[in-house]
Amino acid sequence: QKEVEQDPGPLSVPEGAIVSLNCTYSNSAFQYFMWYRQYSRKGPELLMYTYSSGNKEDGRFTAQVDKSSKYISLFIRDSQPSDSATYLCAIVTPGAGSYQLTFGKGTKLSVIP
Amino acid sequence: EAQVTQNPRYLITVTGKKLTVTCSQNMNHEYMSWYRQDPGLGLRQIYYSMNVEVTDKGDVPEGYKVSRKEKRNFPLILESPSPNQTSLYFCASSTGTGDYGYTFGSGTRLTVV
Repeated sequence: QKEVEQDPGPLSVPEGAIVSLNCTYSNSAFQYFMWYRQYSRKGPELLMYTYSSGNKEDGRFTAQVDKSSKYISLFIRDSQPSDSATYLCAIVTPGAGSYQLTFGKGTKLSVIP
Repeated sequence: EAQVTQNPRYLITVTGKKLTVTCSQNMNHEYMSWYRQDPGLGLRQIYYSMNVEVTDKGDVPEGYKVSRKEKRNFPLILESPSPNQTSLYFCASSTGTGDYGYTFGSGTRLTVV
């Protein structure tokens, strides 16, 4: 089983819809959880970051972590065409003096006007 | 502006011809890393560096070299490129402690023919 699983999509939604993006992970040592957004022909950019179970909100975006189920989600409310991008989950395992960042393969989202 | 700068953005080369992709960051970050991104495989780490003169292999280091002689620079060297190294490459940097989020460069699209 891969360490981080993410449905690649593509996912196509109408403007204004609520979007749910999800990842599952297998290693309970993972402690920090991130979501990156990658526009076409650009590098990934950090969207949200959390290290605890529960919800974290930032504007239209909510990151949710359930450590007991090893499941993380990103919700986008009132989705906009500008949200069309690939979304990657990333999970951190800190180590002695370093850390390992493991990415999901990304879900491609299209928001249709 | 805080950024990670990669050069070149696009490169077409022939098998066996040594090349270097440069990476520079202006955020005084300790941690730097190289990733390659391939369709269906996602982001895979090639090498990372925790500080000057400290480098280590990631998940796919074969065929690549790196060096970290200065804190701001982390070049990726392909001594004898092969067609299976055709990919989109990203350099990234991070403080390495506390906030584990990466700042990514804009990418280098390499084609080896």
